[in-house]
Amino acid sequence: DTEVTQTPKHLVMGMTNKKSLKCEQHMGHRAMYWYKQKAKKPPELMFVYSYEKLSINESVPSRFSPECPNSSLLNLHLHALQPEDSALYLCASSQGGRARLFFGSGTQLSVL
Amino acid sequence: GESVGLHLPTLSVQEGDNSIINCAYSNSASDYFIWYKQESGKGPQFIIDIRSNMDKRQGQRVTVLLNKTVKHLSLQIAATQPGDSAVYFCAEMGNTDKLIFGTGTRLQVFP
Repeated sequence: DTEVTQTPKHLVMGMTNKKSLKCEQHMGHRAMYWYKQKAKKPPELMFVYSYEKLSINESVPSRFSPECPNSSLLNLHLHALQPEDSALYLCASSQGGRARLFFGSGTQLSVL
Repeated sequence: GESVGLHLPTLSVQEGDNSIINCAYSNSASDYFIWYKQESGKGPQFIIDIRSNMDKRQGQRVTVLLNKTVKHLSLQIAATQPGDSAVYFCAEMGNTDKLIFGTGTRLQVFP
C-alpha cells in the first residue's frame, strides 16, 4: 500500500466553525507533513512530524493546530479561519531523511 | 515557448518531441532534489529524484540533470505524450526533513 489517504476531499466552512482534516498512511513512514497550496502556486510547507513529534512549524498561525495521534494518522484542526485560508491542503509522508514524499490528493477547503 | 509573470511559466511542445523543464534552486546546502508532476485536482506525484553526489539520473522516458555549480536542475521528458500535460515542480531538501518546492512549470502538449 503506497497511498496517503486524505478526508474529506472537499470542505466548506464558516469563519466561526471548527473542523478537522484527516490523513492516513500505512507505509510505516516516520515523517508526516502538512502543506498548503493556493491556485497556480507551489505547495508551501506548514508542519512536519517526525516519530509522532512536531519537528517543524513554519510560523503557521495558531488557528491551524496539527496533531499526530499515532504513526499512521495526522490531523489538522481548523478554528476561526479566514477567507484567505481557502486552499488545497496536502498531506504527505516519507521514510525520513533524504527520501521522497508521498502525497495524498488533498482537501480543497473553502472558508466563507 | 515560455511566459512568466502572474501566470505559471508555460512550456508548449508537440506530441512526440522532447521536453526540457528547468529549475533554479536557492539553497547551496540542499543535497537532495525531486521532480513532481501535479495534475489538476490531484496531489503531487513523484517522477524522479537525484542526490548531490550525482549529476545525472535516468528513469523511464525521463532524465534529471543537476548542475551544483550554478544551482540548476532540469527534467527531460523524451517523446512527450498528451498524458504528460501537467504542472511540474522541482523540490529541494537539505539536512532537515524540510522539502521546499520551486515555482512550477506548466507543460502543454499539443497534437
